[in-house]
Amino acid sequence: DIQMTQSPSSLSASVGDRVTITCRASQSIGSYLNWYQQKPGKAPKLLIYVASSLQSGVPSRFSGRGSGTDFTLTISSLQPEDFATYSCQQSYSTPYTFGPGTKVEIK
Amino acid sequence: QLQLQESGPGLVKPSETLSLTCTVSGGSISSSTYFWGWIRQPPGKGLEWIGTIYYSGSTDYNPSLKSRVTISVDTSKNQFSLKLSSVTAADTAVYYCARQVGGNESMDVWGQGTTVIVSS
Repeated sequence: DIQMTQSPSSLSASVGDRVTITCRASQSIGSYLNWYQQKPGKAPKLLIYVASSLQSGVPSRFSGRGSGTDFTLTISSLQPEDFATYSCQQSYSTPYTFGPGTKVEIK
Repeated sequence: QLQLQESGPGLVKPSETLSLTCTVSGGSISSSTYFWGWIRQPPGKGLEWIGTIYYSGSTDYNPSLKSRVTISVDTSKNQFSLKLSSVTAADTAVYYCARQVGGNESMDVWGQGTTVIVSS
């Protein structure tokens, strides 16, 4: 199985801050990396697919980069509704695996 | 607008079979562009892919669950289903169904999730 790790596991930030979350795969996955946002008690929401493509309806302050084993999700200017947990997922091969999540909290 | 809705018992006894159904509305489950998956999330933990059913009817399962999982589709009802046998407390989780996009397998539409507790 491809293992996904994320850093940091949590962070505190203020509205307007630029936030970057890192995801690393245990082997090369090309660009088959997706990012999800999840709020408490809610289903995950797809933000970014194939590493850098913005899902329809997702604000442009979200962006993704990377290929191979190292990927980043950046929120250019954190908004109140962005406080949530962010998880990466590889869709390169089954079993599809998710990172443990990064919780973004209010500072 | 496509919507997915999970349904099924919220409480299952140990050693029994967990059965859930995902009803798809606002679109056809028979599209060759999309696949249909199940994902779960134990309390306080991360997401775990359970398996996917493709438009051909073929399936792919997580090896960690493969011996206990069956995913099937009923195109006449626009539904797909999950069966997980011989459940234990470790199978207690929120279970989600989701649509996967063919070609990149991202999960672009999710159901709201249903909590299943395994307890006697």
